[in-house]
Amino acid sequence: KQEVTQIPAALSVPEGENLVLNCSFTDSAIYNLQWFRQDPGKGLTSLLLIQSSQREQTSGRLNASLDKSSGRSTLYIAASQPGDSATYLCAVLSISSGSARQLTFGSGTQLTVLP
Amino acid sequence: DADVTQTPRNRITKTGKRIMLECSQTKGHDRMYWYRQDPGLGLRLIYYSFDVKDINKGEISDGYSVSRQAQAKFSLSLESAIPNQTALYFCATSVTDVYTGELFFGEGSRLTVL
Repeated sequence: KQEVTQIPAALSVPEGENLVLNCSFTDSAIYNLQWFRQDPGKGLTSLLLIQSSQREQTSGRLNASLDKSSGRSTLYIAASQPGDSATYLCAVLSISSGSARQLTFGSGTQLTVLP
Repeated sequence: DADVTQTPRNRITKTGKRIMLECSQTKGHDRMYWYRQDPGLGLRLIYYSFDVKDINKGEISDGYSVSRQAQAKFSLSLESAIPNQTALYFCATSVTDVYTGELFFGEGSRLTVL
């Protein structure tokens, strides 16, 4: 059974810092990995989707990398801003989930960017 | 207006009561999902539906049932609510299989069972 872990559970940084959020998964047989952002009282918003054949994806100040062999993904946020404060979740689509196509979510990293 | 709308947004109920959470979407997507989120556990899939005639159990379907009334509507029911069903519930949609497409989430329904 796929397990997804995100460490740390919470992170606080001063504005302007570059930072890295980590996601690890136990089964490297995956179709893709997604990063989501969750704001308090809101649903999840998809940030980046990396297919298993890709090494990284970029969107603005965000860069996500994928290393299937080691079961790791990182989300790099450049020049962090207070508006980046949110919980960031990663989710993995495992080949073993078969036709169910079930995503396995990590529990998230709560990021606070201090002005 | 939100593309994926959940009602109610907050609900407090008592053990043994029947509860229905409703989801409607204006995105025209065929695929709809119900997840629950618990602190420290991430999101877990309860039920999913790939079209009006297709209903499938997810990882944690026990104690729940669903109804796909139309392409745009997918309801989650708790026939007899219990305290460990206290959680934040999310409805989501996708236009294709999550292999290639992204999920679009509603804003969540917070359920408290006393």
